[in-house]
Amino acid sequence: DGGITQSPKYLFRKEGQNVTLSCEQNLNHDAMYWYRQDPGQGLRLIYYSQIVNDFQKGDIAEGYSVSREKKESFPLTVTSAQKNPTAFYLCASSMGGGTEAFFGQGTRLTVV
Amino acid sequence: QKEVEQNSGPLSVPEGAIASLNCTYSDRGSQSFFWYRQYSGKSPELIMFIYSNGDKEDGRFTAQLNKASQYVSLLIRDSQPSDSATYLCADFLSGSARQLTFGSGTQLTVLP
Repeated sequence: DGGITQSPKYLFRKEGQNVTLSCEQNLNHDAMYWYRQDPGQGLRLIYYSQIVNDFQKGDIAEGYSVSREKKESFPLTVTSAQKNPTAFYLCASSMGGGTEAFFGQGTRLTVV
Repeated sequence: QKEVEQNSGPLSVPEGAIASLNCTYSDRGSQSFFWYRQYSGKSPELIMFIYSNGDKEDGRFTAQLNKASQYVSLLIRDSQPSDSATYLCADFLSGSARQLTFGSGTQLTVLP
C-alpha cells in the first residue's frame, strides 16, 4: 500500500534530550513537509523540502533540524533548544509544484 | 509574512443545512488552494483542491475561488453529523518560497 508512515505514534522526551521523528513515504513524491499542531490550533510549518539534499526553514524552525538524504525519508529532530516541544507533529508529502499534499498519521510528542 | 485567515468559528448548523466555510489569503502569488478535514486527534485528510477562479463541485462539497478578492470558500450541502470536524484551508505559494501554508481552522458541528 502506498502512503506516508510516521513513527512512533507516541513519544516521550525528557528535558534536555534530542529526539528524532521518522517520516517515510513510498508515493515517489518530491516534496515533503513537517508541521507542528498545538491543541485547538492550526498547522505551523517547521521545515520543508522540495527535492533530495535540499530543505528550507518554515515559520518555526528554531530548535528543530531535518535531513533529506533520500527521496522517501524526511526525519525531524527535536533538539534540546526547543523549549516547548509538546505538540502533535505531522509530516506530509506531495508531488510538488503546488499539487495536493497527503499526511501521515502524526506523532504526539510529550515532554516528561 | 504570508498568511491564511479563516473564520475561527465554531460554526454550528442543523443536519441537512448548508455549511459555509471561508478563507482569505494574503499573497497574490498563491496558486493552489486546498481544503482539509481533521477529526479530533487525527491527521488532516484532503477534501478538495482548486486552482482556477470559479466553482468546483465534488459530491456534497463545492469549493469557490476568487483570486481578485483573495478569497476561497467551501460549501457543504446536506450537512451530516459525520461532517462535524475542523476544516483547514491551505494555499501553495509558487516561486522561490514554495510553501504550503495552513489557516488556523474552523470547527464545524452539525446538529442532529
